[in-house]
Amino acid sequence: QVQLQESGPGILKPSETLTLTCIVSGDSITSAFYWGCLRQSPGKGLQWIASVRVGSTYYNPSLRRRLTMSLDTSKNQFSLNLTSMTAADTAVYFCARDSSGSGAYWSNWGQGTLVTVSS
Amino acid sequence: DIQMTQSPSSVSASVGDRVTITCRASQGISNWLAWYQQKPGKAPDLLIYAVSRLHTGVPSRFSGSGSGTEFTLTISNLQPEDFATYYCQQASSFSPLTFGGGTKVEI
Repeated sequence: QVQLQESGPGILKPSETLTLTCIVSGDSITSAFYWGCLRQSPGKGLQWIASVRVGSTYYNPSLRRRLTMSLDTSKNQFSLNLTSMTAADTAVYFCARDSSGSGAYWSNWGQGTLVTVSS
Repeated sequence: DIQMTQSPSSVSASVGDRVTITCRASQGISNWLAWYQQKPGKAPDLLIYAVSRLHTGVPSRFSGSGSGTEFTLTISNLQPEDFATYYCQQASSFSPLTFGGGTKVEI
């Protein structure tokens, strides 16, 4: 059974960069599935941020200029960098794996990690 | 972006009831629709994908229907563990994938 574990900073100051690391067990990140990051805040509900698999990356257009997502095959993990954080980026961030390799639906999720942006 | 609008935002129900939640897309999404259940403090769980296909292990009291821009999640014979918030999600466009605002099913 695939498991995902998020690792994040907890608190960031405005303008800092979020690095969210998603540690994967029970599957290889080089498999045919997409790996994704999503977030949930009281104000905006659930929001898809980005998806990646070997050779393919998709970003939410509203966040694209601030985003980088990458795979680390040596550690079987993937990471998200989101620059220029503001209070509006305060949310619970989730890592997930898609259900079939289409990248459409998310069947396996981490527990989530709260990231708060505050001065 | 494709906007997903859920109604109602909340519904009160009792064990054994039948509950119906509607999700409307701002444009046609074919059958690229999923439903998730989320309980407080937990990640969402995939219930249904491709409008009506139950994800592995999901009880048959959950069902989905619809096409184009209007979709429905029905929970028959509501059980105590079904009290949660439900979200729809469209996957017709990756640019971006979008979710509805949620429907809270409460006692």
